[in-house]
Parts: sequence; C-alpha cells; structure tokens
Amino acid sequence: KQEVTQIPAALSVPEGENLVLNCSFTDSAIYNLQWFRQDPGKGLTSLLLIQSSQREQTSGRLNASLDKSSGRSTLYIAASQPGDSATYLCAAYPPLSGNTGKLIFGQGTTLQVKP
Amino acid sequence: NAGVTQTPKFQVLKTGQSMTLQCAQDMNHNSMYWYRQDPGMGLRLIYYSASEGTTDKGEVPNGYNVSRLNKREFSLRLESAAPSQTSVYFCASRDKQGRHGYTFGSGTRLTVV
Repeated sequence: KQEVTQIPAALSVPEGENLVLNCSFTDSAIYNLQWFRQDPGKGLTSLLLIQSSQREQTSGRLNASLDKSSGRSTLYIAASQPGDSATYLCAAYPPLSGNTGKLIFGQGTTLQVKP
Repeated sequence: NAGVTQTPKFQVLKTGQSMTLQCAQDMNHNSMYWYRQDPGMGLRLIYYSASEGTTDKGEVPNGYNVSRLNKREFSLRLESAAPSQTSVYFCASRDKQGRHGYTFGSGTRLTVV
C-alpha cells in the first residue's frame, strides 16, 4: 500500500531564505507526483506536476524534483516571501492500472515565512 | 474560468438530514473524485468515477453515495448526515492519461450538528 510522508509537519523561516520541503513515498512504482498549495480555508492549487519520465519541474521560484528509486521528492522554494506562507501537499498516484489514478496525499508541511 | 466548480460552499445540516454536494468540470476530463479533508487525517478518497458511467468506492465510502450524471457532473449524497461527516469536501478531476495532473474545486465546508 502506497504511503506518502512529508517532513517536517511545520516550518518557520525568515523572509528571503531558500528552503526545501521533503516528500517520501513507499512504493517507487508511481506514475506522477504533484505538489499542491493550500491556503487556510481554501482549496488546493496545483503548483507542479512531475511525470514519471521526468526528474524535475520548475515554475518561477519553485523547483520540484523526483527520484523514484529512492522514493523521494523535494520542493525547493527560492527567496521565500511572506506570501508563500501556506500548507504544501505532495500527492503520488500509482500507474494507471484499471485507469483509476487515485491520488495518495501526504499530511502536508505548513510553512510560515516571517517578514 | 475553466476548472472544477463545487456547490454549495458552506452548509449546516442537522443530524439525519440529507443533502447532495454538486460538482461540475468543464475540462472534458474523464475521471472525477470526491475527497474529504479532516484535521490530522489529511485528504481521504470517498468515491471516484474513472469514466462516465462508472463509480467505485474509495477509502472512506460509508455513509455516502455518488452519481456520475454525465461526463461533466459528479455528485455526492449524504442520505442521513451524522456529526462524523463534518468535514471539508473536495471534488477533483483528471484527464484520461493524467498528463496534466489533478484539478481541485474550492471545497464545501459541511457542519453536521
């Protein structure tokens, strides 16, 4: 059974710092891995999608990497800003056997960036 | 704006009442999903529909029913609401090959008293 773990559960950093959020998964046979952002009381916003054939994706100050062999993904945030404060969720989904593609979520890392 | 639309955004029910949460997507996605999010439990899959005309149970289906009305719409019904169903409910959709990832709705915050 696929399990996704995110460490740490919470993180507080000063503005301007570069930081890394970690995500690990138990079954390397994943199809894709997706990072989301969730602001308090809001829905999930997709940040980056790493497909199984890729090793990383970049969008602005965000870079996500995927190492299936070690069961790890990282989300790198450069030059953090107070507006980056949110909960970050990673989610893996298994190969599309049966065409279900059910997402398995980690518990999330709540990030606070202090001005 | 293209995406996943959920209604209502907020709802308060009394124990035993029934209601239907609506979800619609306009991205021509094949698969649709219902998740619930609870503090300390993360997001858990309730039901999903891999394609129009099919539905399957997820991790926590008890107390819920679903209907895939057509390719666009996937509804979640609570027949007899219980306080344990107090949660935030999210609908999501995905294209057939998953190449563009999942798109989530903004959620329905449900309180059962």
